[in-house]
Amino acid sequence: AQSVTQPDIHITVSEGASLELRCNYSYGATPYLFWYVQSPGQGLQLLLKYFSGDTLVQGIKGFEAEFKRSQSSFNLRKPSVHWSDAAEYFCALDSNYQLIWGAGTKLIIKP
Amino acid sequence: DAGVIQSPRHEVTEMGQEVTLRCKPISGHNSLFWYRQTMMRGLELLIYFNNNVPIDDSGMPEDRFSAKMPNASFSTLKIQPSEPRDSAVYFCASSFEATYEQYFGPGTRLTVT
Repeated sequence: AQSVTQPDIHITVSEGASLELRCNYSYGATPYLFWYVQSPGQGLQLLLKYFSGDTLVQGIKGFEAEFKRSQSSFNLRKPSVHWSDAAEYFCALDSNYQLIWGAGTKLIIKP
Repeated sequence: DAGVIQSPRHEVTEMGQEVTLRCKPISGHNSLFWYRQTMMRGLELLIYFNNNVPIDDSGMPEDRFSAKMPNASFSTLKIQPSEPRDSAVYFCASSFEATYEQYFGPGTRLTVT
């Protein structure tokens, strides 16, 4: 069955520290993968996507993600977080033009 | 482009009333999605249209919910009669089929008392 797992419900990091949010997927073919961010009271905004090619993809706001087929993972990273990065982050997998969503990871930034 | 437009942004209604949520997708997009988001259940896909035709409505909770897309630039989600458990944020998203990326509207926060 197709699924997306985000094992961390909450993550707390200090401002300026590095960040890695985990995403694992289950899919029978080459996946199309996405990371979205949702700031409080807002809709979801696309951060980055992976379709094929280079397994390290760059997104907006200084985020990047690496696709690792052997680990069925698509982890999101940022070298130095800012207080404005506090939000909820969703990993998603395309399945016939519909998205299968992870449960989300809430990022909390410590000053 | 103005992005996906949803109205109203907030709706408070009494149990038993009809509620209509509206969505204008991004011009040129041919797929439209209605989602519901709650703390308990997270983000749920309710219905998906492609070229104005409903493709998958398996996420619609029950017959009280209905959705229409009369043309490429407008869709509605109707709840009749509304119940307190329908309280949630409802998102509309659109995409151009070939690119897969979905663009979300700001959402409608529905409160049913």
